[in-house]
Amino acid sequence: DAKTTQPTSMDCAEGRAANLPCNHSTISGNEYVYWYRQIHSQGPQYIIHGLKNNETNEMASLIITEDRKSSTLILPHATLRDTAVYYCTLGRGSSNTGKLIFGQGTTLQVKP
Amino acid sequence: DTEVTQTPKHLVMGMTNKKSLKCEQHMGHRAMYWYKQKAKKPPELMFVYSYEKLSINESVPSRFSPECPNSSLLNLHLHALQPEDSALYLCASSHSTGGGEKLFFGSGTQLSVL
Repeated sequence: DAKTTQPTSMDCAEGRAANLPCNHSTISGNEYVYWYRQIHSQGPQYIIHGLKNNETNEMASLIITEDRKSSTLILPHATLRDTAVYYCTLGRGSSNTGKLIFGQGTTLQVKP
Repeated sequence: DTEVTQTPKHLVMGMTNKKSLKCEQHMGHRAMYWYKQKAKKPPELMFVYSYEKLSINESVPSRFSPECPNSSLLNLHLHALQPEDSALYLCASSHSTGGGEKLFFGSGTQLSVL
């Protein structure tokens, strides 16, 4: 069963912010939100994760709503190299082994 | 070294062949994973190893046989596969202590079964 829902595809202009939404209305109190991306012909790449506070790293920002039922991944200045499939998924965060279950993901196309 | 290395990158095999996929990491990770990905679909979890012991098998057919000979290596032995098993096979690793779901993936082996 898919625990997250994402739009199938999105476009973004190069240099603009890309905002990718994710719904996870059945998230449990101890579940983290994880984001990965997969560029064509490569393995998925970890981007960021968070529990309830907003998070930022060198790749992206993660905004989680107060009720934790949805989140948004923000790529502040999208480049052509950010064209990829972006997966939002849930995990327990502190577990010894991660059982990462991918949903269908959002295909982001960054256009010149 | 933050890489997960998978070999071979491409593999073509017949339905009666026996072959193996290999995965190696030198990050000191003690959790390793196999995922299968069909074209235009998300990766699907197959197996999870923790401290060289199989901890999760997602009801994978016995024609796929995983092996973890040491903390750096993970193999997937293939025997009597079907054409529908053609897919990208991805290996991943993560820290065993509090690493959660922050996985490091290899680039995969593209398998074609004829």
